[in-house]
Amino acid sequence: KAGVTQTPRYLIKTRGQQVTLSCSPISGHRSVSWYQQTPGQGLQFLFEYFSETQRNKGNFPGRFSGRQFSNSRSEMNVSTLELGDSALYLCASSLAGSKFTDTQYFGPGTRLTVL
Amino acid sequence: SQQGEEDPQALSIQEGENATMNCSYKTSINNLQWYRQNSGRGLVHLILIRSNEREKHSGRLRVTLDTSKKSSSLLITASRAADTASYFCATKIDQTGANNLFFGTGTRLTVIP
Repeated sequence: KAGVTQTPRYLIKTRGQQVTLSCSPISGHRSVSWYQQTPGQGLQFLFEYFSETQRNKGNFPGRFSGRQFSNSRSEMNVSTLELGDSALYLCASSLAGSKFTDTQYFGPGTRLTVL
Repeated sequence: SQQGEEDPQALSIQEGENATMNCSYKTSINNLQWYRQNSGRGLVHLILIRSNEREKHSGRLRVTLDTSKKSSSLLITASRAADTASYFCATKIDQTGANNLFFGTGTRLTVIP
């Protein structure tokens, strides 16, 4: 099976712009989660989508949003970019089965640089 | 914050030696997972241990979990240069089944050939 794919891999934007990142989960996986990784804050959970609905949300401002399509593919959008949004954005997918054994598989990430 | 702490922050060993890294967390968990990350890339899932398990093995990896101490350890035996990476523990605590992992701060492992 193909792994989780994310596009684009690298992105450079300027402050005030908006950006959309895309994630294609492993075939058959219904849950897609997004994480932000920065040197200062480490890995932080952004949100999770399951069956096209946001099921859980981390502590990020409303500028960060996402959606999931019927084929489980997900997009994440960041509006009014700030310098502090520069980060590696990771997407993870899972079967969303048992809460005790469900494993999240991560994509390679999108490196976003805000100038 | 519910984020875990890992110890040590950095570890440097010779090839062939064992590497042990520790993780502590703050709340009751459903499971604890270990991931590896090569420089700036995605996370690779290594092993998952459920809250009712105490030890688990996978190849050269051995994970222990002590829920009374809220801690876990990852042992990599007979290390190789290719094991050089950052290692993160992640806990799953949500009782509803929603997927949000809380990650530790990571241990940077360097294996010297």
